[in-house]
Amino acid sequence: DAKTTQPNSMESNEEEPVHLPCNHSTISGTDYIHWYRQLPSQGPEYVIHGLTSNVNNRMASLAIAEDRKSSTLILHRATLRDAAVYYCILSGPTNTGNQFYFGTGTSLTVIP
Amino acid sequence: SQTIHQWPATLVQPVGSPLSLECTVEGTSNPNLYWYRQAAGRGLQLLFYSVGIGQISSEVPQNLSASRPQDRQFILSSKKLLLSDSGFYLCAWSVSGGPRVYGYTFGSGTRLTVV
Repeated sequence: DAKTTQPNSMESNEEEPVHLPCNHSTISGTDYIHWYRQLPSQGPEYVIHGLTSNVNNRMASLAIAEDRKSSTLILHRATLRDAAVYYCILSGPTNTGNQFYFGTGTSLTVIP
Repeated sequence: SQTIHQWPATLVQPVGSPLSLECTVEGTSNPNLYWYRQAAGRGLQLLFYSVGIGQISSEVPQNLSASRPQDRQFILSSKKLLLSDSGFYLCAWSVSGGPRVYGYTFGSGTRLTVV
């Protein structure tokens, strides 16, 4: 399976932008890049996903490197409610694509 | 719209007792269904997934089993719980064909404590 590498933890000041990096050097040409976040004692929730082009939605932006070997989740203005564990995931085994494998993610602390 | 229900929210069970956690999905047909477990302070571990009724794939040999008796129902069971079965259990669904393009939706989880 293609793996992802994320920093264990990051800190950000409230109302400042946050750039959460993810390395996925073994990504295949058809793997999507998904981001989820998990607030304490809750199930993960979808944030954003993309294939090749940068993506924007109401929660965040996803910047994908031209060679697709890395991506960055951008929270434009961090709030205290953004404190969570953020997971970067590739779209499962290339042969079936039936499941996601989650790493340990990046624990984001937002400082008031 | 699609919704996923998972219950109970919390559960305290003695060692050696049985377990049954249930997950149901509404508003979709033939979903892929998943069970994950998260130990305290750890990442999510995929336990089982199902692409159809009666079709179960196990990811990790363990004290647990899963069943899918109906299209939108997924059950996680154990005959005899161990202390190591404690954790946060999450059910998820994706569209038929897998989450590759459209991702997952997770339930709210069950916090299981085995004492």
